[in-house]
Amino acid sequence: AQSVTQPDIHITVSEGASLELRCNYSYGATPYLFWYVQSPGQGLQLLLKYFSGDTLVQGIKGFEAEFKRSQSSFNLRKPSVHWSDAAEYFCAVGGGGTASKLTFGTGTRLQVTL
Amino acid sequence: DAGVIQSPRHEVTEMGQEVTLRCKPISGHDYLFWYRQTMMRGLELLIYFNNNVPIDDSGMPEDRFSAKMPNASFSTLKIQPSEPRDSAVYFCASRGREGTEAFFGQGTRLTVV
Repeated sequence: AQSVTQPDIHITVSEGASLELRCNYSYGATPYLFWYVQSPGQGLQLLLKYFSGDTLVQGIKGFEAEFKRSQSSFNLRKPSVHWSDAAEYFCAVGGGGTASKLTFGTGTRLQVTL
Repeated sequence: DAGVIQSPRHEVTEMGQEVTLRCKPISGHDYLFWYRQTMMRGLELLIYFNNNVPIDDSGMPEDRFSAKMPNASFSTLKIQPSEPRDSAVYFCASRGREGTEAFFGQGTRLTVV
């Protein structure tokens, strides 16, 4: 069965500081991996995705993530956080065929202090 | 395209009443997903369809929940009878070919009193 673990429920960083949100996945084959962001009262917006190829992927809003197969991880990073980045961040794993569903982690709530 | 459209955005109903949530996926997308989001359980996949056919409904919590997709441009999630513990935000998402990202609607916030 596929699953995603986001070990950090809540993270607080200062504006301008760097950010890393952790994500570990369990999947039997090469996974499709995603990071989504959710602002209060809103739906989920895709930040970036990994399907194959270069293990470092760039996304919107200055975010990037690195796929590490040996660690089953797909951590999200940003070198300098802005106050507008405060939101909830979800990592998700999916695949093809009968595993086409997307399974989400429990999310990490990011708070940014000024 | 206007994206995934859900209606209503908010629904308040009394316990025991029937509730129907609606979703219009992005045109051309083959997959449609229904998720439920609560503080306690996070984002749970309830059911998903491929080409209008239900593929996996193992996440549907009880027989009170049912979902249909009569055509490629419309899906419903029905709860009958509704209970207070069904209060949550329900999201619909659609996706194109396998491996592409899912696009989410704005959600329906359901409150059962």
